[in-house]
Amino acid sequence: AQSVSQHNHHVILSEAASLELGCNYSYGGTVNLFWYVQYPGQHLQLLLKYFSGDPLVKGIKGFEAEFIKSKFSFNLRKPSVQWSDTAEYFCAVIGLEYGNKLVFGAGTILRVKS
Amino acid sequence: EAGVTQFPSHSVIEKGQTVTLRCDPISGHDNLYWYRRVMGKEIKFLLHFVKESKQDESGMPNNRFLAERTGGTYSTLKVQPAELEDSGVYFCASSQPQANRAQETQYFGPGTRLLVL
Repeated sequence: AQSVSQHNHHVILSEAASLELGCNYSYGGTVNLFWYVQYPGQHLQLLLKYFSGDPLVKGIKGFEAEFIKSKFSFNLRKPSVQWSDTAEYFCAVIGLEYGNKLVFGAGTILRVKS
Repeated sequence: EAGVTQFPSHSVIEKGQTVTLRCDPISGHDNLYWYRRVMGKEIKFLLHFVKESKQDESGMPNNRFLAERTGGTYSTLKVQPAELEDSGVYFCASSQPQANRAQETQYFGPGTRLLVL
């Protein structure tokens, strides 16, 4: 069965610090990879996605993620976080042989101190 | 363009009662999904509609849950009778079918917070 592991459940950073959130998945076939974000009081929004091609994907608000197939990883990065990045971040995968269902990680709560 | 909407935003019911959640997908989206997040755990897939047909209901926990999508527009998810462990946030998502399925992106609604007492 597919699974997604997010390395940190809670991360606290100061503004301007760099961010890297780890995500590993277990599935050997073709995958689509996603990072979703949920800001306080808001709904889940797509941050970025990888389908094919360049493994370095750029998303909204300065976020990027790198797909490393050999490590089954899709880590999220941002060089300099802002207070407004405080949110919960979810890594998710679709294994194309398993239909369209997203398999999510447990989420990482990021708090950025101003 | 309106996003995915869900109603109600919150529901508090007693064990044994019935609750019906509603999801209105983005207009034109044939794919509709239900997910659930039990407190402190992952968001988990419940089922997937393509228009009015259930494409995949492998995530439905048991027969107390009934999902419908009559007419292929909005969907309802009924829990009857509700149990304590049904508490959580129920998310709906929709997507537009693509010629290349790998290109699809699911757009989420705000969720319905269900609390069963």
